[in-house]
Amino acid sequence: AQSVTQLDSQVPVFEEAPVELRCNYSSSVSVYLFWYVQYPNQGLQLLLKYLSGSTLVKGINGFEAEFNKSQTSFHLRKPSVHISDTAEYFCAVSGLNSGNTPLVFGKGTRLSVIA
Amino acid sequence: GAGVSQTPSNKVTEKGKYVELRCDPISGHTALYWYRQSLGQGPEFLIYFQGTGAADDSGLPNDRFFAVRPEGSVSTLKIQRTERGDSAVYLCASSLDLSQPQHFGDGTRLSIL
Repeated sequence: AQSVTQLDSQVPVFEEAPVELRCNYSSSVSVYLFWYVQYPNQGLQLLLKYLSGSTLVKGINGFEAEFNKSQTSFHLRKPSVHISDTAEYFCAVSGLNSGNTPLVFGKGTRLSVIA
Repeated sequence: GAGVSQTPSNKVTEKGKYVELRCDPISGHTALYWYRQSLGQGPEFLIYFQGTGAADDSGLPNDRFFAVRPEGSVSTLKIQRTERGDSAVYLCASSLDLSQPQHFGDGTRLSIL
């Protein structure tokens, strides 16, 4: 079984400042890792994913994340945030058993960008 | 192309009633997932289909919940004898196959009075 911990429930940050949203996971098998963003009253949109290969993954809207196997982390970063980045961000993991398994999500981090 | 479509977008009903929530996946996607998102929480897995069959229904909370996907495309999540605790946003996602990222619909917000 897998689990995901998002260490911060809320992160306020000023516009054009850098941000890091933290994610740690637990799994007894190899995993795929994902970050999704959710705007108010909308579904989840995929930001980026780690399946294999380079541990630094670049996604949409200028976000990137780094997979660290030894620390079981997959933190999300952006060097300069915009007001439009205000949203809920979810880290998710999927276990690599025979085939794929459904996503296990963290509780989310609310990013609030302040003008 | 169209994304995952969920109807209705909002559903309000009384405790004890029966409800059906519909999901139209992206055309050609063989895998379809249902999740439930309670206020302030991340989505929680309910059930997923590979084609017409339910590959894993271990997330369904009890036997009041049931889902079907008779022709391998549209899916319906059915809830009998609804309870106030069933109030949540129900999200549907689809993917090309089990190894591909999931694409989510906007969800159905279910409110049980």
